[in-house]
Amino acid sequence: QKEVEQNSGPLSVPEGAIASLNCTYSDRGSQSFFWYRQYSGKSPELIMFIYSNGDKEDGRFTAQLNKASQYVSLLIRDSQPSDSATYLCAVTWGYQKVTFGIGTKLQVIP
Amino acid sequence: EAQVTQNPRYLITVTGKKLTVTCSQNMNHEYMSWYRQDPGLGLRQIYYSMNVEVTDKGDVPEGYKVSRKEKRNFPLILESPSPNQTSLYFCASSVAGAVEQYFGPGTRLTVT
Repeated sequence: QKEVEQNSGPLSVPEGAIASLNCTYSDRGSQSFFWYRQYSGKSPELIMFIYSNGDKEDGRFTAQLNKASQYVSLLIRDSQPSDSATYLCAVTWGYQKVTFGIGTKLQVIP
Repeated sequence: EAQVTQNPRYLITVTGKKLTVTCSQNMNHEYMSWYRQDPGLGLRQIYYSMNVEVTDKGDVPEGYKVSRKEKRNFPLILESPSPNQTSLYFCASSVAGAVEQYFGPGTRLTVT
């Protein structure tokens, strides 16, 4: 059974701070890594994906991947109250199957 | 508008009464997948389809069936629902493979 682990939180950060969300995975054969955001009562929406070791930046979001440590993270700079949501880490196996973490609930305090 | 649609959005049914949840996408995506989301367990993959007539099991396929006769549609069938299938179900699609997926609005199913 492939595993993706996240701290369920809540992670509370003040407005304007950097939020750091972390995820570890069990299988070194994992190929692709995704971060989805899910607002309460809504469906997940993709915010970042990363395939190679290193950092990938998109606006206020940075995804970081370290395959040797089996670790992927999401940084949110200048956090806003509208960023308050649950963030789901997803890892694909064999290009077809995907495992999600339980999600980390982020609360941005005004 | 590019979207994934699911019907019904809410369903309350009784144990053993067959039901189908429909999923349709208008993006000509090859890959489609079904998930269930439960508190403390997260999103778990039920079945996926790489293309028409090509389906395979995810992590929690027991008690579910799927079919993919047309590219745009991927219905989820519960032939004999049980209370442990009470959950929030999401359908998703992507261009090819389990990459960037677009999710439907969800179907909340209650089996009594």
